[in-house]
This record gives sequence, structure tokens and C-alpha cells, in this order.
Amino acid sequence: NAGVTQTPKFRILKIGQSMTLQCTQDMNHNYMYWYRQDPGMGLKLIYYSVGAGITDKGEVPNGYNVSRSTTEDFPLRLELAAPSQTSVYFCASSYSLDRLALANEKLFFGSGTQLSVL
Amino acid sequence: DQQVKQNSPSLSVQEGRISILNCDYTNSMFDYFLWYKKYPAEGPTFLISISSIKDKNEDGRFTVFLNKSAKHLSLHIVPSQPGDSAVYFCAASLIRDMRFGAGTRLTVKP
Repeated sequence: NAGVTQTPKFRILKIGQSMTLQCTQDMNHNYMYWYRQDPGMGLKLIYYSVGAGITDKGEVPNGYNVSRSTTEDFPLRLELAAPSQTSVYFCASSYSLDRLALANEKLFFGSGTQLSVL
Repeated sequence: DQQVKQNSPSLSVQEGRISILNCDYTNSMFDYFLWYKKYPAEGPTFLISISSIKDKNEDGRFTVFLNKSAKHLSLHIVPSQPGDSAVYFCAASLIRDMRFGAGTRLTVKP
């Protein structure tokens, strides 16, 4: 079982470059999320999606964009990379019948993308 | 603002003894709490959860206690095993908001 797959695992960007972090899940989960984790800090929610075609901002959305055209895929786009976006990025998914609940069900995480912006 | 705090960055215990990981939160409206475990180079994996209407939930060697009046939850691991060595995150959720603590690194020594 693949679960949640993130690519790439590592990436170094120059300031101002753009890139897309890929995330796909094969569990038919309706909810998907992007988190970032900075050193010594907890995970912070960037964006989330409750289903195909529906996305919403989390706690730290500035500098990022997302789309959810299919149930399986939830790519995260960085348009103009900045040093402040150096972080570890985690994609996650969950299944919930409650459209109002963000994650009362457990999250399944990918293994992360280590991004450095220099 | 850190609504979920894990004030101990690290904890070291002997194999076979109890591990107690603590977590404090500030928002009394949180209604669901979860613990995740993370190994190096992997994503966090769900460990155990508790609803705010309960004060204890047990799953094998893992027990989570919730003290709503103190806005405090703890994870007990008994007995601790070397394979439990990992970073443990607590999380608290309310409708469409979930907040994570910074994590506690647990080391279980043989």
C-alpha cells in the first residue's frame, strides 16, 4: 500500500524560482492537507481541501497556491521562492463524513519534502 | 501564537519504565486531541486520540489522559521499548482548525 506519496524528497531552490511539490494518495480520502514544519516548531497548516475542486486557506497560506482537480492529487505551488519558505513540507490525507470537521479523523502523512531556498 | 505547547523538547527513559509526555493547550474550545509519532525521514503516524468528552483513552501500551480544567493532556507509554524512540507530537482540533505542538523527542535506552 503506497498511502500518501510526496515528490521530491529534497530540493534546493534559488530565491525567486518556482516549483511544485507533488502529493498523491491512493486511499480515496476526501480530505487532503499541506503542512510545513520549521525547526523547533509544530506543524502549521498551509492549505487544505475537503474534496475535488474545493480548497481553503490554513494558518500560513501566503506565498503558496494549491489545486485539487482529482481526489488523488493535491499539488502545492511556490511561485516566488523566498528564504522564509525553507522548511519541511508534509502532505496528509484523511477521510471524514463530517464536512464541518477538519480532522477529527486521523491524518495519514507522506514522508515529507525538505526544501531549502538560498 | 502557540495554542498547543510541548514544553519538554526531549525525554530519556530506561527500557521497561514508564514514559510520560506532556502537552498543554490554551484554547478551551478544542474538542479533539491526538498524538502522532514520527521517526526520522518519515511522516508522522497517528498513535492515539481522545475526545474532549472523555478523560482517558487506552490502546495497548499507550494511554492518553485529558484534564480539561488544567488544559493539559499526557501520553503514557508502559512499558517503554527501544522502538518507541521517536518524536511525539500532540495535536488539538476544533472544526476546521488543528494545531500541533513542537514535539518531544523520546529516547528509550536499553
